[in-house]
Parts: sequence; C-alpha cells; structure tokens
Amino acid sequence: KNQVEQSPQSLIILEGKNCTLQCNYTVSPFSNLRWYKQDTGRGPVSLTIMTFSENTKSNGRYTATLDADTKQSSLHITASQLSDSASYICVVGGGSSNTGKLIFGQGTTLQVKP
Amino acid sequence: DAGITQSPRHKVTETGTPVTLRCHQTENHRYMYWYRQDPGHGLRLIHYSYGVKDTDKGEVSDGYSVSRSKTEDFLLTLESATSSQTSVYFCAISFGGSSNEQFFGPGTRLTVL
Repeated sequence: KNQVEQSPQSLIILEGKNCTLQCNYTVSPFSNLRWYKQDTGRGPVSLTIMTFSENTKSNGRYTATLDADTKQSSLHITASQLSDSASYICVVGGGSSNTGKLIFGQGTTLQVKP
Repeated sequence: DAGITQSPRHKVTETGTPVTLRCHQTENHRYMYWYRQDPGHGLRLIHYSYGVKDTDKGEVSDGYSVSRSKTEDFLLTLESATSSQTSVYFCAISFGGSSNEQFFGPGTRLTVL
C-alpha cells in the first residue's frame, strides 16, 4: 500500500533554533518527493521538489534531503522564525504518468515560540 | 496563490442539497485538481482534469462530479451533500502532470449540517 508517514506529528521549538522533520514513504514506483508548507487557513505552498537522482535541495533556510534507498526524507529548518509556524507536508509522486498521483502525508505541525 | 481563486470560501448547507464549488485560474495551466483535507488524513484527490472536457476520478470520487468547459474553470459538484462531505476543499493546478509542481488555491470550507 502506498503510504507516506511523517514524524513527529507536532513540534514546538524556540525562535532561532533549528529543527528536522522526518518523512518515510512506501510509494512505488517513485517519481519525486516534495515538501509543502501550509499556513493555517491557506493552501499548501511548495518548498522543494526532488527527483530520484537528487539527495539534497535547499530553499533559503529550508533544506530537504532524500535517501531513495531507505525511502526516507527530512526537512531541516535553520534559525527558525515565528513565521515558520505552520504545517509541513511531505508528498510523494508515484509512477511516471501524468495522472497526478500524489500521496500526501498527514503533516507535521510546527509551532515556533518567541 | 499563483492566480487561483476558489468560490465560495465558506459555505454551510444542509444534508441532501446540491452544492457546487468553483475553481478559477488565470495561469492557463492544463491540469486542474480537486482535493479534500480532513483531520487525520493527508490531502486526498477527488477528481482531476487534464484538459477541457477531459476529467478522471481520484481516490475519493464517490458522491462528487466535476466539469471543465473552459481551461480556466473547474467545477466540483456534490449532487446531494452528506455530513461526511464536511471538509476543506482545495483546488490545485499544474502545467504538466504528476512530475510538475502543483499550485494550490486558498481553499473552501464546507459544512454540511
């Protein structure tokens, strides 16, 4: 069964600290892995997209890693800010067709406190 | 929100009534999608479209129908709303298929009493 599991479910950190969010997947065949940020009451916004051949990608203070052998990804946030408070969703694209087969994780809710 | 609007943004309706949600894009993207987001679940695909009049079912399509008569508009219809369809509905667009980035709209919060 194609699944994407994220941990932790929720996380509270102090402003300025770093944190790492985890994503494990069992999607096959694998096409790509994305991380989205979703602010409360808004739609998800893409942070990174990685294909099978990429093992790291950065977007400002966000760095995603991918280990296709162990089927794990992580999202590292550096020097957190209050605006980083959001839900972070790991999404895996399966297959090579254009049918939009994306499998979404349930998300990690991050709260950054001053 | 990448030129995507959804209407209405909030709606409360009663069980058994028909409901239509609208997604409008100004990006001329070929692909459009409807998702629902519920607590305890990741976003789940309801229906998608890969061109005008070309649509297909997603994983949770029962009780929903869609139509796309123009590139810019994708309509989601609940023929007879049920309480289990209370959810937040997101429209998304992409230039290509699953390998391309999807841009999401702001969402519609639907409550079925």
